[in-house]
This record gives sequence, structure tokens and C-alpha cells, in this order.
Amino acid sequence: GENVEQHPSTLSVQEGDSAVIKCTYSDSASNYFPWYKQELGKRPQLIIDIRSNVGEKKDQRIAVTLNKTAKHFSLHITETQPEDSAVYFCAASISQAGTALIFGKGTTLSVSS
Amino acid sequence: GAVVSQHPSWVICKSGTSVKIECRSLDFQATTMFWYRQFPKQSLMLMATSNEGSKATYEQGVEKDKFLINHASLTLSTLTVTSAHPEDSSFYICSARAVRLKETQYFGPGTRLLVL
Repeated sequence: GENVEQHPSTLSVQEGDSAVIKCTYSDSASNYFPWYKQELGKRPQLIIDIRSNVGEKKDQRIAVTLNKTAKHFSLHITETQPEDSAVYFCAASISQAGTALIFGKGTTLSVSS
Repeated sequence: GAVVSQHPSWVICKSGTSVKIECRSLDFQATTMFWYRQFPKQSLMLMATSNEGSKATYEQGVEKDKFLINHASLTLSTLTVTSAHPEDSSFYICSARAVRLKETQYFGPGTRLLVL
């Protein structure tokens, strides 16, 4: 089955800096890669996703890149703000009915002002 | 749109009792629902996949007789933790997806279970 590795487990940056979180996946059939932000005690919130027919996607300060050959994808947050502090999870799945998301172990991002 | 609710949001029970958690898709029909468990400072671990009208598919290591899943309608799935023990204390989160929403999964707010 699918295995998703995520690094780093913790990341501390100064406000205004950029943050990058990287994930690798094992199943070459996976073709959907979302990123979730989770605040303590709350549900994961989808912040951006990418499908395998696209190499990069951007939404304001957040961008995701995908390298299918190397089977890795990354989350880039620019101009970080204290409210970006949370746990971020990458995930992978096969885009067909009934396929679950397999999550990475998460990255705790701390943005200090 | 695409709202998923869970009930209860938290529950405390005695060891040996059973607890039922409901997951509802409020504004769409969920062909598939998933149940995850999340221990403190850990990731979401998939427990089972549930398709409406059929038996749930459990992940390796998840006891199907202990975690009973029912997906009787396109808007409701239930997870029953039978004979709960302190080690079952965790944050249980469901998610739902519908074909028309493509691959996107929408998560419920989670249920925090504490077994004394």
C-alpha cells in the first residue's frame, strides 16, 4: 500500500520568512496530493491540492510542486505569519471512488514574530 | 457546501462500555466515508473505509469486531467502539467524499473519546 514520508517534523521560522515542507510517496499510481492544516483539537482543513497532471499550483502565499518521476511533492509558504502556525499534513491517494487519503506524519510549523 | 458533522464532539465513558459516534454529510451524498484515529501529536491513521450499503474495509491491525462501522445511508456512517478501554482514548475523525466532488475529502470536526 501507499506510504507517505514527510519532513521535517518541526519547523521554526521568523515572520516573513518562507517555509518548505517536503513529502515523498511510494505508490506510483497515486495521483492526488492534498495538503491539510490542522490546529490543535480541530479538524484538518484543506489548504491546497494538486493532481498528477500538473507540476505546480499556487494560491496566494501557498504553492505546491509535484515531481512525479521522483515521487515527491512540496508545500511552500511565503511571507509567513504567526497565524500560519499549525500542524501541516501532506497526503496522497488514487483518484478513484473509494480510495482513502494516506497521510504523512505531519510538520509542526511555528512562526515567531 | 460540503459540510460534514460528527456527534458527539466529546465523550467520556467507563471502561467496558460501548460508544457510538455518528458522522453525517449535511449537504451532499457521501458514497464513501472514512474513519481515522489520531493520537496526541500524531498523524491521522486510517481505520476503515465504508461504502454505503456494503461492509466496511478495515486497515490492517484494526479489529473489526471492536470498531463496528455502519454506513446505512448516503448521509450517515456510524462508528461504535465496543467494550472500550483506556487505550482506545483518542480523537476519532470521519471524512466523506462524493463522486461529484472528485477526490476531495471533507472532514468532520472529530470526536474526542476518553475512556476511564
